[in-house]
Amino acid sequence: AQTVTQSQPEMSVQEAETVTLSCTYDTSESDYYLFWYKQPPSRQMILVIRQEAYKQQNATENRFSVNFQKAAKSFSLKISDSQLGDAAMYFCAYRSAGSYGKLTFGQGTILTVHP
Amino acid sequence: DAGVIQSPRHEVTEMGQEVTLRCKPISGHNSLFWYRQTMMRGLELLIYFNNNVPIDDSGMPEDRFSAKMPNASFSTLKIQPSEPRDSAVYFCASRPGSYNSPLHFGNGTRLTVT
Repeated sequence: AQTVTQSQPEMSVQEAETVTLSCTYDTSESDYYLFWYKQPPSRQMILVIRQEAYKQQNATENRFSVNFQKAAKSFSLKISDSQLGDAAMYFCAYRSAGSYGKLTFGQGTILTVHP
Repeated sequence: DAGVIQSPRHEVTEMGQEVTLRCKPISGHNSLFWYRQTMMRGLELLIYFNNNVPIDDSGMPEDRFSAKMPNASFSTLKIQPSEPRDSAVYFCASRPGSYNSPLHFGNGTRLTVT
């Protein structure tokens, strides 16, 4: 079974600075998808970014980028130019490529942004 | 696109009562998921439907939990009888049929059983 580990329960960053959230996963599969979801106090789960395992190029979405290290099974999220609205719980998630869509989530990292 | 719609947003009930949570997936999405989020266990998949048919209900904790999807635009998750340990946030999510499409989550229902 796949597992996802987020070793940082909490992180903080100053507004306009850069922060990196860590995620590691364990799988024997070669084809899969990785995701970062954001959960603000409103409780909604918002997709931030996703990465296909077969792609070597790291995904980017505006101020959000990932560092995907397939051999190390690592999938970190970098937030550049942090904004107050980035404060939320961030979840890393794994999905097998051939699966119907079941996501395995990490425990989450609470990100605080200081003005 | 209205997104995935869940109701109610909050539900408070007494132990032993029946609780019904509702979900309207995004139009055109043919896969629907119910997840539960707790502090202790994080986010867990309860059940998954594809084209209105339950495919995997191995995550349903016990027989007190049941889920239905009578048509493509509506699903319910029922707990009968409810217990305090069922208190959690319950999310519904949907996605289109293509394998590389991500899940779209609703805003969740916060259930409190006293």
